Amino acid sequence: QKEVEQNSGPLSVPEGAIASLNCTYSDRGSQSFFWYRQYSGKSPELIMSIYSNGDKEDGRFTAQLNKASQYVSLLIRDSQPSDSATYLCAVTPSGGSTLGRLYFGRGTQLTVWP
Amino acid sequence: DGGITQSPKYLFRKEGQNVTLSCEQNLNHDAMYWYRQDPGQGLRLIYYSQIVNDFQKGDIAEGYSVSREKKESFPLTVTSAQKNPTAFYLCASKTERNYGYTFGSGTRLTVV
Repeated sequence: QKEVEQNSGPLSVPEGAIASLNCTYSDRGSQSFFWYRQYSGKSPELIMSIYSNGDKEDGRFTAQLNKASQYVSLLIRDSQPSDSATYLCAVTPSGGSTLGRLYFGRGTQLTVWP
Repeated sequence: DGGITQSPKYLFRKEGQNVTLSCEQNLNHDAMYWYRQDPGQGLRLIYYSQIVNDFQKGDIAEGYSVSREKKESFPLTVTSAQKNPTAFYLCASKTERNYGYTFGSGTRLTVV
């Protein structure tokens, strides 16, 4: 079983602050990493994907990947109350096909207060 | 618009009943997946299919069955053998390229 670990939170930050969400994974050969946002009662929505070591920026979101440390993070700059949601980290296993499954962490609940 | 449609949005099952959850996609995705989500447990894989007429068990397949007769459709049956079926069920699909899933809007199943 491939493990994907996230701090369950809740993580609470004030509006305008940087929210930092962390994820570690057990499969050293994993190649693809994803962050999903899930609002309460809704389905997950893909917000970031990252495949290479380093940083990837998209608007207020930055994903950071360190394969040597088996660590992926998501930074949300200028956090807004609308960012309040559960954030799921997902990882593809090594050796699988490109149509294979993802492994998900349990999610980190983020609350941004005005 | 392309997407994944799950129906119904809410479903109630009596003890001993089988129920079927629908999942249809018009994204031309090859692979489709069923996950179950319980509070505090994250997403757990039930079944997945990478090609028509073929599917594989996930981590919690007991008490569930699926079929993949068409590329667009991947229905999930929750059988009476599933003793604790109350959960949020999510269907997803994926292309061969290295992208993440696209999810449907989910079906919330409750045992009454």
